[in-house]
Amino acid sequence: DSGVTQTPKHLITATGQRVTLRCSPRSGDLSVYWYQQSLDQGLQFLIQYYNGEERAKGNILERFSAQQFPDLHSELNLSSLELGDSALYFCASSAGTSSEQFFGPGTRLTVL
Amino acid sequence: GQQLNQSPQSMFIQEGEDVSMNCTSSSIFNTWLWYKQDPGEGPVLLIALYKAGELTSNGRLTAQFGITRKDSFLNISASIPSDVGIYFCAGLISGTYKYIFGTGTRLKVLA
Repeated sequence: DSGVTQTPKHLITATGQRVTLRCSPRSGDLSVYWYQQSLDQGLQFLIQYYNGEERAKGNILERFSAQQFPDLHSELNLSSLELGDSALYFCASSAGTSSEQFFGPGTRLTVL
Repeated sequence: GQQLNQSPQSMFIQEGEDVSMNCTSSSIFNTWLWYKQDPGEGPVLLIALYKAGELTSNGRLTAQFGITRKDSFLNISASIPSDVGIYFCAGLISGTYKYIFGTGTRLKVLA
């Protein structure tokens, strides 16, 4: 158990809908990262927050947004969902901005 | 954009054999991380490397940070069936806060 929690574990929705994925980092970690992993693919970095501020951005679509709250938990919002958005979404946390990352169990999103 | 080439993509080995995999890039990295991922689970950190030339072990696993800072290697000795999974490298690009991940090495161990 990495100490990173993600909810929900599974999410099934329809095209055009909007969903919110939630992540709680390990106790004491200030950085949160979001990744997308499509079937049998590698991890695509989406975005990083450090202590509430956006720190780095990867290949995140404009339909996706994220934020980190004062209690350090983070939410990833996915809107106008398309079939291709079906994937595993992972959250990771680290103590600093460039230290080793610990991953949560992921949220499996299925868009029908 | 930056890319991390990980090889081999997949490998079948016999139980008890040693395994080697590597990641290479044209970019320079400040940190290398190696992860193992089981199907449907989150990646689990195996080894972290912070200095060029560093060699670090974790049980039967040994990883090295290449001296050019553009590559890293992971070796697994005396493989066992539970080593099955996907191994990812991740590198922290020098001068950024951004990690990029390799495409993964899928390992299958034949008993």
